[in-house]
Amino acid sequence: EDQVTQSPEALRLQEGESSSLNCSYTVSGLRGLFWYRQDPGKGPEFLFTLYSAGEEKEKERLKATLTKKESFLHITAPKPEDSATYLCAVQTEGTSGTYKYIFGTGTRLKVLA
Amino acid sequence: NAGVTQTPKFRVLKTGQSMTLLCAQDMNHEYMYWYRQDPGMGLRLIHYSVGEGTTAKGEVPDGYNVSRLKKQNFLLGLESAAPSQTSVYFCASSNGGFGANEQFFGPGTRLTVL
Repeated sequence: EDQVTQSPEALRLQEGESSSLNCSYTVSGLRGLFWYRQDPGKGPEFLFTLYSAGEEKEKERLKATLTKKESFLHITAPKPEDSATYLCAVQTEGTSGTYKYIFGTGTRLKVLA
Repeated sequence: NAGVTQTPKFRVLKTGQSMTLLCAQDMNHEYMYWYRQDPGMGLRLIHYSVGEGTTAKGEVPDGYNVSRLKKQNFLLGLESAAPSQTSVYFCASSNGGFGANEQFFGPGTRLTVL
């Protein structure tokens, strides 16, 4: 069964304390892996797309990496405004040429000033 | 450019009542999606559309119906609401199918069914 698991569920960091969020997946036919940021009471906001193992993407203090089994979202020197829930999603092949899009349950990040 | 908008933002229903959630996008996207988000669970796809006049079932379609009469609008209907449908509903749109390009999400509709 296709599955996406994120860890940890919650993470508290001091401002400037770098860390990583994990997204592990077991799917057949990975088409792409996506990271989203979700603020309380709002819809998810797209961050990155990764398509193949070894690929890396960066945006400000965030860096996403991908292996054959997992993805990491590295946060360097975080600031309080980085506090949010970070969602991972995997796009995989479905049946009859369709695609499936599976979300993880997210990591709630709190950055303390 | 408003992106993806959803109406209403909040709604309380009694069991058995019906309602329609409206999603509108102004980005000329072909694909549109309806998700529900529940505590401890990831976003789950209810229905989706790959173009005007088309709809298809997602992961959790039971109890919901959808229509896409215009390219910019995607409606989600609950014919007879049940407490299990209490959730936050998100609409999304994209250029490509299922995230070939990124999905753009609306702000959500918080629905409570008593």
